[in-house]
Amino acid sequence: DSGVTQTPKHLITATGQRVTLRCSPRSGDLSVYWYQQSLDQGLQFLIQYYNGEERAKGNILERFSAQQFPDLHSELNLSSLELGDSALYFCASSPWTGEAANEKLFFGSGTQLSVL
Amino acid sequence: AQKVTQAQTEISVVEKEDVTLDCVYETRDTTYYLFWYKQPPSGELVFLIRRNSFDEQNEISGRYSWNFQKSTSSFNFTITASQVVDSAVYFCALKTDYGGSQGNLIFGKGTKLSVKP
Repeated sequence: DSGVTQTPKHLITATGQRVTLRCSPRSGDLSVYWYQQSLDQGLQFLIQYYNGEERAKGNILERFSAQQFPDLHSELNLSSLELGDSALYFCASSPWTGEAANEKLFFGSGTQLSVL
Repeated sequence: AQKVTQAQTEISVVEKEDVTLDCVYETRDTTYYLFWYKQPPSGELVFLIRRNSFDEQNEISGRYSWNFQKSTSSFNFTITASQVVDSAVYFCALKTDYGGSQGNLIFGKGTKLSVKP
């Protein structure tokens, strides 16, 4: 058990809808990352937050947004959903070590999103 | 460009065989970090190892060993005496601070390992 909690585990919705994925990082970790895993694109970095502020951005669509709250949990909001958004969405957290690239990421179990 | 290539899409072995998973990376940074993660059928990503670019020592952890060679930009992973529980998808990943992408783990496509009894 990594200590990172993601809810829900599975989500089935329809095209055009909006969903929110939730992530609770490991106790004490200030950084939260979101990744998308799809069959065609593999594992892709979406966005990172550190202590409530956006720190790095990857291949995140404009229809997607995220935030990190004062209690450090994070939410990933996906709107105007399309069939191609079906994927496994991972949240990861890490402690701050002072060397960003050296950070070891602890991943949650993921949220499997199915857009029908 | 930064890239991780895992040329082996799927590998199937019989229990107790040794198996090596290949990973080749590309980066212009002199400081970088390499990782291996395991994704068992249950779906979670499990951290296995982190190696920085200045440490080329091979590492052994039980039945797992890693061979890092900067000369060939490779970071290969060997499982000795494989077991059925080793069946999973294994991902190699690269991380640098280049261009402000501090959070960006660049993953390979993964190698699916099936260990048959």
